[in-house]
Amino acid sequence: DIQMTQSPSTLSASVGDRVTITCRASQSFSHWLAWYQQKPGKAPRLLIYEASSLESGVPSRFSGSGSGTEFTLTISSLQPDDFATYYCQQYSGFPYTFGQGTKVEIK
Amino acid sequence: QVQLQESGPGLVKPSQILSLTCAVSGGAVNNDDFYWSWIRQPPGKGLEWIGYIYYSGSTYYNPSLKSRLSLSLDTSKNQFSLRLTSVNAADSAVYYCARGLAAVKNFYMDVWGKGTTVTVSS
Repeated sequence: DIQMTQSPSTLSASVGDRVTITCRASQSFSHWLAWYQQKPGKAPRLLIYEASSLESGVPSRFSGSGSGTEFTLTISSLQPDDFATYYCQQYSGFPYTFGQGTKVEIK
Repeated sequence: QVQLQESGPGLVKPSQILSLTCAVSGGAVNNDDFYWSWIRQPPGKGLEWIGYIYYSGSTYYNPSLKSRLSLSLDTSKNQFSLRLTSVNAADSAVYYCARGLAAVKNFYMDVWGKGTTVTVSS
């Protein structure tokens, strides 16, 4: 299995801050990586696919980058609606696996 | 716009069978552009991908569950289902169904159901 490790596990930030979350893979792969946002009691929401492609309807302040074993999700200017938990997920090899999540909290 | 809705018992006794269904509206399950997945999330924990079923009936099961898991598709009802045998407390979770959008030989999950909570307890 490809292990996905996110850092940090928790991030405290203020509205307007630039936020970066890192996801590292135990094996190298191209760009088969997705990012999801999850709020309490809700299903995950797709933000980014193929490492850097923005899902339709997702604000442009979200962006993704990376390949190989290191990927990042960046929120250029944190908004109140962005406080949530974020997960990366690889879909390069079966079984598909998720990172453990990064909780973005209000500072 | 496609929507997914999970249904099934909220409480299952240990050693019994968990059966869940995901009803798909606004799109057909027998579409070769999509893979139909199940994902679960234990209370307070992260996400675990369970497996998928394709319109052709082909499946992939997470090895962690393979011996107990079965996925099926019912095109007449436009739904797909999960069956997990010999459940125990570790199977207590929110279970999500999701649509996987094909990207070459892979897929990413672009539409999710709202989830259904399953508790395994006597």
